[in-house]
Amino acid sequence: DAGITQSPRHKVTETGTPVTLRCHQTENHRYMYWYRQDPGHGLRLIHYSYGVKDTDKGEVSDGYSVSRSKTEDFLLTLESATSSQTSVYFCAIKGGQGPYEQYFGPGTRLTVT
Amino acid sequence: KNEVEQSPQNLTAQEGEFITINCSYSVGISALHWLQQHPGGGIVSLFMLSSGKKKHGRLIATINIQEKHSSLHITASHPRDSAVYICAVSTYTGNQFYFGTGTSLTVIP
Repeated sequence: DAGITQSPRHKVTETGTPVTLRCHQTENHRYMYWYRQDPGHGLRLIHYSYGVKDTDKGEVSDGYSVSRSKTEDFLLTLESATSSQTSVYFCAIKGGQGPYEQYFGPGTRLTVT
Repeated sequence: KNEVEQSPQNLTAQEGEFITINCSYSVGISALHWLQQHPGGGIVSLFMLSSGKKKHGRLIATINIQEKHSSLHITASHPRDSAVYICAVSTYTGNQFYFGTGTSLTVIP
């Protein structure tokens, strides 16, 4: 199994509060991704990173920001959580440029009340 | 607009049956991926393929690049195969992915 962890695994928070999710890898992979998974939708890309301090937006990036100050850590922040951001969030990593498999973290279930 | 379409959305089979899940895509790709997700569980990669056919145990994945279509077959299905199967494609650069909505498979003993 790829060494990829997410924290926290579960979180309940109130509307308007900031939330940060952490993805940590031990594989030294260059590419890291944040997705959300919702019923009726496939996994949707929020943001991804192609190196330290190099990030780009995905299709559902509004309301989310990311940071990557070290190769091993990719943080996803909800500046002011809304109920529409209730979802399961998956982090994934990929070995390099080009077509490689993705390895997924265990997921974080976030509920915004 | 969905770049990746899967069918069927839901599938129930008797143990031992041969199962086929289909995936069609509408974008140029560098590879196609089949993923498995057990209820409440994480997502694991089953196959990555860019041509032809791959086999792993009772699972077989095929791709037809000209028709932009892939199939995942499960031979001699077993209740432990019950899961959501997700088709995904990686773009030409290989750095971004599009995902289907998944096929929920239930295998009844």
